[in-house]
Amino acid sequence: TQLLEQSPQFLSIQEGENLTVYCNSSSVFSSLQWYRQEPGEGPVLLVTVVTGGEVKKLKRLTFQFGDARKDSSLHITAAQPGDTGLYLCAGQGAQKLVFGQGTRLTINP
Amino acid sequence: DAMVIQNPRYQVTQFGKPVTLSCSQTLNHNVMYWYQQKSSQAPKLLFHYYDKDFNNEADTPDNFQSRRPNTSFCFLDIRSPGLGDAAMYLCATSSTYGGAEGYTFGSGTRLTVV
Repeated sequence: TQLLEQSPQFLSIQEGENLTVYCNSSSVFSSLQWYRQEPGEGPVLLVTVVTGGEVKKLKRLTFQFGDARKDSSLHITAAQPGDTGLYLCAGQGAQKLVFGQGTRLTINP
Repeated sequence: DAMVIQNPRYQVTQFGKPVTLSCSQTLNHNVMYWYQQKSSQAPKLLFHYYDKDFNNEADTPDNFQSRRPNTSFCFLDIRSPGLGDAAMYLCATSSTYGGAEGYTFGSGTRLTVV
């Protein structure tokens, strides 16, 4: 069974600080995706990383796929209140995505 | 805009009273998924369809059923809702099996059981 573990599960920081969220597995994934979910809404795809070692940037968000394609990280620079939400990583399986348990991020003004 | 639409956004049902949630998509995606999400947890896959082929997760209770009458629509039926079934239900689609290009989620239906 493929599992993804995210850490931390909860993170509350002040506006302007930097943070990193981790997504780890013992399994290799073809690709890994990051979603953000705001309260009362469905998850929205932020990025897909495919190649081991790949780095993608989305404004203040930097996503990295581990060299062995077993782990990923999301780094946010100068966090803003609009970054608040549940961040989910998901690994591509044979027939479906495998989701991590999520990181609940709160950015305080 | 192409999208995934879930109705209703909020549903209140009585304990034991059957309820149906609906999902429609304008993306013409082959695969549709139903997820259950409880407070601040990861979505839990209930079942998915590849076209008309139905795939049930091993731990999905028999109380949950699904129908996909055509490419655009998919329904989730809860035959006898219990208090533990109160959750957000998310519908998602993808064009390929495995979702390499990512899933498109609807906004969800928040189910309350009273």
